[in-house]
Amino acid sequence: GAVVSQHPSWVICKSGTSVKIECRSLDFQATTMFWYRQFPKQSLMLMATSNEGSKATYEQGVEKDKFLINHASLTLSTLTVTSAHPEDSSFYICSAPRTGLNSPLHFGNGTRLTVT
Amino acid sequence: AQKVTQAQTEISVVEKEDVTLDCVYETRDTTYYLFWYKQPPSGELVFLIRRNSFDEQNEISGRYSWNFQKSTSSFNFTITASQVVDSAVYFCALSDNTGNQFYFGTGTSLTVIP
Repeated sequence: GAVVSQHPSWVICKSGTSVKIECRSLDFQATTMFWYRQFPKQSLMLMATSNEGSKATYEQGVEKDKFLINHASLTLSTLTVTSAHPEDSSFYICSAPRTGLNSPLHFGNGTRLTVT
Repeated sequence: AQKVTQAQTEISVVEKEDVTLDCVYETRDTTYYLFWYKQPPSGELVFLIRRNSFDEQNEISGRYSWNFQKSTSSFNFTITASQVVDSAVYFCALSDNTGNQFYFGTGTSLTVIP
């Protein structure tokens, strides 16, 4: 079964509003989680690395003030798209590694965001 | 720099044909991991295989097989006797030695025609 839960699966919001996406590790603790963005028919691009108890590390070109990441606990990281615009419409997917267990990186099922 | 190249953007095959998806990678690390993921239309990423850089043994899992060649920096994926349910986008990915941070290829969209 799924080991990383992402919520919501899809969301439609109006321009200017903020949207929060949650990523939870279900049966393990994740001190690090990763957030990716995928445009239609394109690859997944790493946006940021979420670190429990400290600031997230953003990839070059990703606006940290627009994509707020909070990793307040060992099982939850949130991505908030602030003041969303239509160009933020995309598929967002998180992942969490189960380090030390020799298992692959686990991905959430993704969140499809549509900004109207 | 880490880079993964999937030169085939789209492939169409007729059901029961074999198909090979190519993946070429670049890395300066001596220890790294290679992955294949399947992304069906619903969007989730389905893990298929992980291979570390020290294990060049080819692997077969049912109709799936993988050919890892360090000499050519390739990690190709073959589906034998393709089925309609194999239709999806397939991503090859490379990670660093922690196995955490991923670099994805651009994906290959496979359509299996009944």
